[in-house]
Amino acid sequence: AQSVTQLDSQVPVFEEAPVELRCNYSSSVSVYLFWYVQYPNQGLQLLLKYLSGSTLVKGINGFEAEFNKSQTSFHLRKPSVHISDTAEYFCAVTGNSGGSNYKLTFGKGTLLTVNP
Amino acid sequence: NAGVTQTPKFQVLKTGQSMTLQCAQDMNHEYMSWYRQDPGMGLRLIHYSVGAGITDQGEVPNGYNVSRSTTEDFPLRLLSAAPSQTSVYFCASSSRWGDTQYFGPGTRLTVL
Repeated sequence: AQSVTQLDSQVPVFEEAPVELRCNYSSSVSVYLFWYVQYPNQGLQLLLKYLSGSTLVKGINGFEAEFNKSQTSFHLRKPSVHISDTAEYFCAVTGNSGGSNYKLTFGKGTLLTVNP
Repeated sequence: NAGVTQTPKFQVLKTGQSMTLQCAQDMNHEYMSWYRQDPGMGLRLIHYSVGAGITDQGEVPNGYNVSRSTTEDFPLRLLSAAPSQTSVYFCASSSRWGDTQYFGPGTRLTVL
C-alpha cells in the first residue's frame, strides 16, 4: 500500500514569487508519482508525472518537480507564480508493479493562493 | 472527442433513496475509476476497473456498487443513500495502468 503526505494545507504567496509545494510518500514498492491541479469548480488535470529516468520532471505552466528516492519526496516548484496559478494541487502515488498496486492514492491537497 | 463525461452535474437525494451516477469516456481507455472528494480529505478511491467485466474495490467502497459491461461506461450506484455520502464524485480514465488519468467534471451530490 502507498500513502501520501502533503505537508502544507495552504500556501499563500505574492505574484512573481517562487513557490514550493511539498509532498512526501511511503511505499513498499517502487512508485510512479504525479501532481494534479484543480481549478475552482473543475475536475483535476495533470501537471506532471514521474515514471522513470531523470529525477527532474518538467510539466505544464512552468512547473517542475524533483523525485528524491532517498527522502521519499516529490516536491513541486515554480520560480515565478501568476495570479492564474491559484488552485488546489494534489500529489498522488501508485505502485509501478501492477496488479493490486493499481490504486492511485492522493494527498489531501495544498491550496495555493497567489496574491497581487 | 468529449473525453470523460459525467451526469448529472448536481443531485439532491433523500436518505434511503437510490441513484446511479453515470460516467462515460470516448478514448477507448481500459482503466476507469471513481473517487469522492471531501473538504480536507483529498480524493479517495471508491472502485476501479481494469477492463470490461473487471472491477475491484478501492479505499472507501462501502455503500457503492459498480459494474463495467462496456469499455466506455462505468456507472456508480448508491443503493441506499446516506448523509455521509454527500460529496463531489469524480470519474477518471486512463489508457493503461500508470498512465495519466483524465478526470470528468464531477457530480455534486447532497443527501438530506
